[in-house]
Amino acid sequence: QKEVEQDPGPLSVPEGAIVSLNCTYSNSAFQYFMWYRQYSRKGPELLMYTYSSGNKEDGRFTAQVDKSSKYISLFIRDSQPSDSATYLCAMSVGTGGFKTIFGAGTRLFVKA
Amino acid sequence: AAGVIQSPRHLIKEKRETATLKCYPIPRHDTVYWYQQGPGQDPQFLISFYEKMQSDKGSIPDRFSAQQFSDYHSELNMSSLELGDSALYFCASSSTQSESSYNEQFFGPGTRLTVL
Repeated sequence: QKEVEQDPGPLSVPEGAIVSLNCTYSNSAFQYFMWYRQYSRKGPELLMYTYSSGNKEDGRFTAQVDKSSKYISLFIRDSQPSDSATYLCAMSVGTGGFKTIFGAGTRLFVKA
Repeated sequence: AAGVIQSPRHLIKEKRETATLKCYPIPRHDTVYWYQQGPGQDPQFLISFYEKMQSDKGSIPDRFSAQQFSDYHSELNMSSLELGDSALYFCASSSTQSESSYNEQFFGPGTRLTVL
């Protein structure tokens, strides 16, 4: 079983829809939770970064972490065609550990 | 703002040859990470360096080695290349100035290695 599980999709939604992306994990030592967006043939781009449990909002993006359930989510409001990309969750234990574990990535298509 | 620079962007090698990939981190970033991403797969952590010392190691084959130099750039050396080594190789950098910045990795554009 992988440390981080993420449904690879693809997920197809109409423009303006609310998108929900999720990851589950097994390592309770993870404390830092990141969401990256990756366009085809490009490097991952950090979107959101959350420490421990809670919510974080940045524009149309909201990240949620539920450590008790080992479950994290990324919500995209008012989705746009330009949001079409692969979204990767990533986690690390933080202090003393540089290793970051990525999920498989969910391919998102937002149709105009 | 300056980003992570990787060179070359594309590399074609034959089996059993050697390849060297270079990474130039964002200025003042002291930590460099290497990842391998196969087609349709998530990035797999290979190795990281902090202040020129290896800080963590992932699923890096023994045929691969890496180092970070005094100017903080890093090189990934890959020998006895195999067909399965064909992938995108990403370098990322971060700063350990704070607990938060240390976990914010900025990725380069990647080097696409094709082994024939």
